Amino acid sequence: EAQVTQNPRYLITVTGKKLTVTCSQNMNHEYMSWYRQDPGLGLRQIYYSMNVEVTDKGDVPEGYKVSRKEKRNFPLILESPSPNQTSLYFCASGGDYEQYFGPGTRLTVT
Amino acid sequence: GENVEQHPSTLSVQEGDSAVIKCTYSDSASNYFPWYKQELGKRPQLIIDIRSNVGEKKDQRIAVTLNKTAKHFSLHITETQPEDSAVYFCAASTGGGNKLTFGTGTQLKVEL
Repeated sequence: EAQVTQNPRYLITVTGKKLTVTCSQNMNHEYMSWYRQDPGLGLRQIYYSMNVEVTDKGDVPEGYKVSRKEKRNFPLILESPSPNQTSLYFCASGGDYEQYFGPGTRLTVT
Repeated sequence: GENVEQHPSTLSVQEGDSAVIKCTYSDSASNYFPWYKQELGKRPQLIIDIRSNVGEKKDQRIAVTLNKTAKHFSLHITETQPEDSAVYFCAASTGGGNKLTFGTGTQLKVEL
């Protein structure tokens, strides 16, 4: 089954404790992205990747890191999470146009 | 960078009526305009998209129109049904689907 998966789906953590949210796709897509969704703000892109080892900043990259060592995986790293990073995070993958979103990760930073 | 404004933020219609959601964008170089639907607790899913060389596109009860001169595009849903209730997001991009700027969303409620 073609899909985008994310783990964990829910995470509660404390300020400053490094965490990684994993994203994996099995559709051989070149493009992968991370978005955060906040009430009243819609979906905002954090980082995107055009291919292995090729990444670029989106609209809200501060406080986040990414890596793309394999085509299927695109982890999101928060090295020192802060409460303003409490949000719903979506990974997406796709070809030139349609993007397929993962199920989302709800992160709470206290 | 690109800025996308979306209106209205909430929309309530009676079943069977039409619904229209409007978006404006700022970057005249934008050439790809998708619409995503997000049901409660679910992931966004593409429902229709349009590219800048086309003025209108239809898919059953859903249509999208694009006015490049005015830099706005709209989603039209006819004969609305309860299952159309969801949040709808417009988006714009200068380079395809991998670098989208989204609007803030429209909560559509279809009442029986």
